[in-house]
Amino acid sequence: NAGVTQTPKFRVLKTGQSMTLLCAQDMNHEYMYWYRQDPGMGLRLIHYSVGEGTTAKGEVPDGYNVSRLKKQNFLLGLESAAPSQTSVYFCASSGLPTGELFFGEGSRLTVL
Amino acid sequence: AQSVTQLDSQVPVFEEAPVELRCNYSSSVSVYLFWYVQYPNQGLQLLLKYLSGSTLVKGINGFEAEFNKSQTSFHLRKPSVHISDTAEYFCAVSEGGTYKYIFGTGTRLKVLA
Repeated sequence: NAGVTQTPKFRVLKTGQSMTLLCAQDMNHEYMYWYRQDPGMGLRLIHYSVGEGTTAKGEVPDGYNVSRLKKQNFLLGLESAAPSQTSVYFCASSGLPTGELFFGEGSRLTVL
Repeated sequence: AQSVTQLDSQVPVFEEAPVELRCNYSSSVSVYLFWYVQYPNQGLQLLLKYLSGSTLVKGINGFEAEFNKSQTSFHLRKPSVHISDTAEYFCAVSEGGTYKYIFGTGTRLKVLA
């Protein structure tokens, strides 16, 4: 049982380049989330989705876009990467609005 | 708006000693509270959660936490720590009826031999 899988795990970008992070879950969860983790700042919510075809902004949505075309996938896009987006990105999913969050292993992104 | 405060960024403790990691939250409505642990280069995993009922919650690996509504706190405790407990611990809150989980900045627990 894979749980939550993130790809890629590592990526180096130049300023201005674009990329997409893919999150896939095989637990049939309704709710999916993208967080970024930075030293001393904990996890900050970027965007989330409460079901297929829905998305909503979190605490730090600027510079990111998301899509949830299929229930099992939640994509995070950076249209024009900036050094401030250098971070570790975590995807999570949950089967209930107050239930346990299941996390992927993270994607480390460096923007030069 | 809800927020979570973990005042201690790092907590060193000797093996077999007790430990308490502090978490305070602010919210004007009922909340659900969580503690997660992150081992190096891994994602987060749930230690325990409080949704309702008994204010003392027991979790995995011998950890427990107590919900104190009047002090808006949800401190994590373990009576005797092991080297393997060295990790970063995150407190999280979700306001009742919402789908957003807000995390604290984390406390790095370092268990010394």
